[in-house]
Amino acid sequence: GAVVSQHPSWVICKSGTSVKIECRSLDFQATTMFWYRQFPKQSLMLMATSNEGSKATYEQGVEKDKFLINHASLTLSTLTVTSAHPEDSSFYICSARRQGGTPLHFGNGTRLTVT
Amino acid sequence: EDKVVQSPLSLVVHEGDTVTLNCSYEVTNFRSLLWYKQEKKAPTFLFMLTSSGIEKKSGRLSSILDKKELSSILNITATQTGDSAIYLCAVPYSGGGADGLTFGKGTHLIIQP
Repeated sequence: GAVVSQHPSWVICKSGTSVKIECRSLDFQATTMFWYRQFPKQSLMLMATSNEGSKATYEQGVEKDKFLINHASLTLSTLTVTSAHPEDSSFYICSARRQGGTPLHFGNGTRLTVT
Repeated sequence: EDKVVQSPLSLVVHEGDTVTLNCSYEVTNFRSLLWYKQEKKAPTFLFMLTSSGIEKKSGRLSSILDKKELSSILNITATQTGDSAIYLCAVPYSGGGADGLTFGKGTHLIIQP
C-alpha cells in the first residue's frame, strides 16, 4: 500500500493565487522529504530538500520565495506555490526518506494547472 | 555535476518481445542506482542496485549494474501491453546541500498488441 500520501492529486487555480500541496509519510517518520517537478515528457527535477525542523535546501534556479516549503513534523511537508502563474503549471511529486535510507517512496503527485 | 543518461528515449515493440533499456551515470560519490516505472502518476520503485554483476529479478523484469562501465540495464522479457510506461533510472546524490535523486530523462516504452 501507499506509504507516502500526497494531496491534492490535482488542482486548478487562477493566476496570482497560492496553492498548498501536502506530502505525508504514512507509516514511518521522514526526517527528509524531497519535492520534484515534472514537465510533460520530461524527467523529474529535484526542486528542494525539506528537512524537519529546519529550512529547506533549494536547488539552483528554484525560487525559495515562490515555492515555500514547510516541514513542521516528521510526517508532513508542505509545498506552497505562491502567486502562481501559468508557467508554474506542472506535475509536482514528493518523496519521503526513512532515516538513513535512500528515498524509495513517492507520493502520487499533484497536477497543478494555473489559468 | 551528476549525470544520468538513458537510452533509447523511446521504444516501440510488439507484445512478446524482449527489451533492454540502458542507463549510464556519472556521479561523484556512487552509492546506488535505482529503476522506477512511471505510468500515469508517480514513479513506482522497481530495483535498487548497489553491487556490480549481481542480477536483481522480479518476474519478467531484471536488472544488473556494471560499475566498471558506469551503467545498468533493465530487461523485460515476454513484454505485455501493461509494461507500457516510462522507465526512469536515478542515482542518489549529494550536492549543494541537497540530497535527493538525479533522474535520467527516461525511456518511453510502448508495447503494441
